[in-house]
Amino acid sequence: DVKVTQSSRYLVKRTGEKVFLECVQDMDHENMFWYRQDPGLGLRLIYFSYDVKMKEKGDIPEGYSVSREKKERFSLILESASTNQTSMYLCASSVPLAGVYTQYFGPGTRLTVL
Amino acid sequence: DQQVKQNSPSLSVQEGRISILNCDYTNSMFDYFLWYKKYPAEGPTFLISISSIKDKNEDGRFTVFLNKSAKHLSLHIVPSQPGDSAVYFCAADQGAQKLVFGQGTRLTINP
Repeated sequence: DVKVTQSSRYLVKRTGEKVFLECVQDMDHENMFWYRQDPGLGLRLIYFSYDVKMKEKGDIPEGYSVSREKKERFSLILESASTNQTSMYLCASSVPLAGVYTQYFGPGTRLTVL
Repeated sequence: DQQVKQNSPSLSVQEGRISILNCDYTNSMFDYFLWYKKYPAEGPTFLISISSIKDKNEDGRFTVFLNKSAKHLSLHIVPSQPGDSAVYFCAADQGAQKLVFGQGTRLTINP
């Protein structure tokens, strides 16, 4: 059974703080993703990584960075949190399923920036 | 610019009846589509998918239909059960394993 875990379910931070969101998967997947989910907007891709030390920008990377030092761990970093980064953050990893990559999600971190 | 759209934010269906969730897309290059289901306080879980070379894929109570000419897909759930109450996201594979998601539709199954 695929397991993707995220370090916190709920997080409250202040404007300007540096925020780290951690994601760990236990299935040796190469590909990992960070999304944010907002009402009326669905899930939007922030960054993804195909392998250790590799990263690619998604659709909304501004204000975020990522780190992938180990295969199982993918971190999302908010260098200076702002109120418009209040959101649900979802991490995923993917594996080929019948020749197509299917993404498996963690439970999410609800971040509030005050 | 929303490439995948779910125009119904919510849908309410009687238990035992058919639920039909709709999704439209704009990019004719999309060749693979997925449906995810999300309960509150949980991450989305993969439900069913369809390749653009097919027009229908079935898995138990869930069937996805694809109309490429209309750039439209739909998810049918029959019969609907209370446990099906959740938010459903349609997604399209835009290549390089990147998915683009719709806004989601909240399905409520009434007893």
